[in-house]
Amino acid sequence: NAGVMQNPRHLVRRRGQEARLRCSPMKGHSHVYWYRQLPEEGLKFMVYLQKENIIDESGMPKERFSAEFPKEGPSILRIQQVVRGDSAAYFCASSPRTANTGELFFGEGSRLTVL
Amino acid sequence: TQLLEQSPQFLSIQEGENLTVYCNSSSVFSSLQWYRQEPGEGPVLLVTVVTGGEVKKLKRLTFQFGDARKDSSLHITAAQPGDTGLYLCAGVLTGGGNKLTFGTGTQLKVEL
Repeated sequence: NAGVMQNPRHLVRRRGQEARLRCSPMKGHSHVYWYRQLPEEGLKFMVYLQKENIIDESGMPKERFSAEFPKEGPSILRIQQVVRGDSAAYFCASSPRTANTGELFFGEGSRLTVL
Repeated sequence: TQLLEQSPQFLSIQEGENLTVYCNSSSVFSSLQWYRQEPGEGPVLLVTVVTGGEVKKLKRLTFQFGDARKDSSLHITAAQPGDTGLYLCAGVLTGGGNKLTFGTGTQLKVEL
């Protein structure tokens, strides 16, 4: 499968636990984007990363959220001490270059439920 | 305040009807995309428009970018049940770096 791979597809956490979401971009893509989607809403930008660098994290909450895209391995979106309001679908997208034309390839998402 | 407003928010029509979805903003975009998302899946890119006034056709779908690059429309001719889904416009702001901003979405349902 040459598409963007996200796991887990579904994740259930209790308040206060940590959630780790992983994203492997398409082969040859070095740019990764994370978006959050609440039910029946559009996608909200969170963070844009290139290998080993955070380029734009203007959409990410200042506390409890962090993202990385190491030289080897998938991109990770980490949410510490989750709260009910973190329940959402988190989508990862990749592009082979800077996405100034907006052409992103999305994964199927990771759905986080916080109990 | 949403940067990209879509209308209508919900649309339920019969097979064979035509429809238009609008995407409006007060900001100028260097490019604008339309995506379609089905339940439980990620958005899939349908088209990219970059030139003011540009019109692109994809089978029964016609996309137009406004002359001032602030708005766009998606027109579907003779809608089919397979067109059902969430339609999202998205754009890259002029001078806005690489961040893709999504619209509020239009949920389309086409019934037999």
